Amino acid sequence: GENVEQHPSTLSVQEGDSAVIKCTYSDSASNYFPWYKQELGKGPQLIIDIRSNVGEKKDQRIAVTLNKTAKHFSLHITETQPEDSAVYFCAASRGSTLGRLYFGRGTQLTVWP
Amino acid sequence: GAGVSQTPSNKVTEKGKYVELRCDPISGHTALYWYRQSLGQGPEFLIYFQGTGAADDSGLPNDRFFAVRPEGSVSTLKIQRTERGDSAVYLCASSSSGQGRPQHFGDGTRLSIL
Repeated sequence: GENVEQHPSTLSVQEGDSAVIKCTYSDSASNYFPWYKQELGKGPQLIIDIRSNVGEKKDQRIAVTLNKTAKHFSLHITETQPEDSAVYFCAASRGSTLGRLYFGRGTQLTVWP
Repeated sequence: GAGVSQTPSNKVTEKGKYVELRCDPISGHTALYWYRQSLGQGPEFLIYFQGTGAADDSGLPNDRFFAVRPEGSVSTLKIQRTERGDSAVYLCASSSSGQGRPQHFGDGTRLSIL
């Protein structure tokens, strides 16, 4: 099956700085890569996703990049704000998005004011 | 519109008891997923329904776990003879059919087995 590894496990940044979280995957057949934000006591919330036919996708302060050859993808958050503080998960899926998601272990992001 | 709804939000029960966890997906979503999340971990897949049928149940840990979706909407995850290791947050997600449809999660049921 798929194995998704995520780094770092914790990340602290000053408000206004950028934050980068990196993930690698093992299955070259994976072609859908969502990122989720999870706040305490809540379910994961989708923030951005990317398909394997695209190298980069951006949505305001959030961007995701994908390197299929190296089998890694990254989340970039610019101009961080205290409300960005949460646990972020990357995930990978094989085939269509009707399939199961394989999640990384998460990154606890703390943004200091 | 309304998101994925899970009930109860918390469930505490004794070892050996039977529990049912309910998931109401987003209206019109034909795909429904159950995941389990232990403390400090990412969600782990349990089972996936497309309509009424379980298309993939390979993530269920053993035969004490069972899930149904009789009318293709609401789903119930059932756990028999609960064990302390079953304690976790059980998450449900739904997705509309077709390529490129992301999964939307509920807030989960926190299950504690004493």
